[in-house]
Amino acid sequence: DAKTTQPPSMDCAEGRAANLPCNHSTISGNEYVYWYRQIHSQGPQYIIHGLKNNETNEMASLIITEDRKSSTLILPHATLRDTAVYYCIVRVDGYGQNFVFGPGTRLSVLP
Amino acid sequence: SQTIHQWPATLVQPVGSPLSLECTVEGTSNPNLYWYRQAAGRGLQLLFYSVGIGQISSEVPQNLSASRPQDRQFILSSKKLLLSDSGFYLCAWSGQGAYNEQFFGPGTRLTVL
Repeated sequence: DAKTTQPPSMDCAEGRAANLPCNHSTISGNEYVYWYRQIHSQGPQYIIHGLKNNETNEMASLIITEDRKSSTLILPHATLRDTAVYYCIVRVDGYGQNFVFGPGTRLSVLP
Repeated sequence: SQTIHQWPATLVQPVGSPLSLECTVEGTSNPNLYWYRQAAGRGLQLLFYSVGIGQISSEVPQNLSASRPQDRQFILSSKKLLLSDSGFYLCAWSGQGAYNEQFFGPGTRLTVL
């Protein structure tokens, strides 16, 4: 079973920031938070991951609460091409570990 | 740079027929390799993963099997397909070190009739 809960869908206006929440209240100390997205009929695309500290890369920012029970993925300037299903995953980082994907959040970026 | 290939892209097979899906990775050595299945409208289900040649771990009992004959080749097979085997099959790879995020292939859409 997925260890995360996400809203099933969200809308965002083009050019605005998209903030996607994720709850992971049972996360363990050695589990990382990962975000992937999937555009229809394509393989999932890695976005970002983190353990405790906030992270930023060229695609997005990841804000993790101090108690690590929730996080937010931020797409700073959403475009129509960011329309996708976004998956929040928690997993132990290590040799041969698998991912468990839940239903995710369907983000629709509107013109 | 690393790339991952899957073929075929789409496949329609009758119930009871065999299956062979292939995945290859370029640009990296000794990757972890994974097979996932995604049913329509649902998240990804891990089927198999491999940490080395000939080493296969199965996550879900089923009529599918996997093999890794070469370092960067991962094959998903079945002797007799079931209707319930229909879905979107994804191959992925990750590095062996820490922070080993997974990179997915384009997928194979399998329809069993």
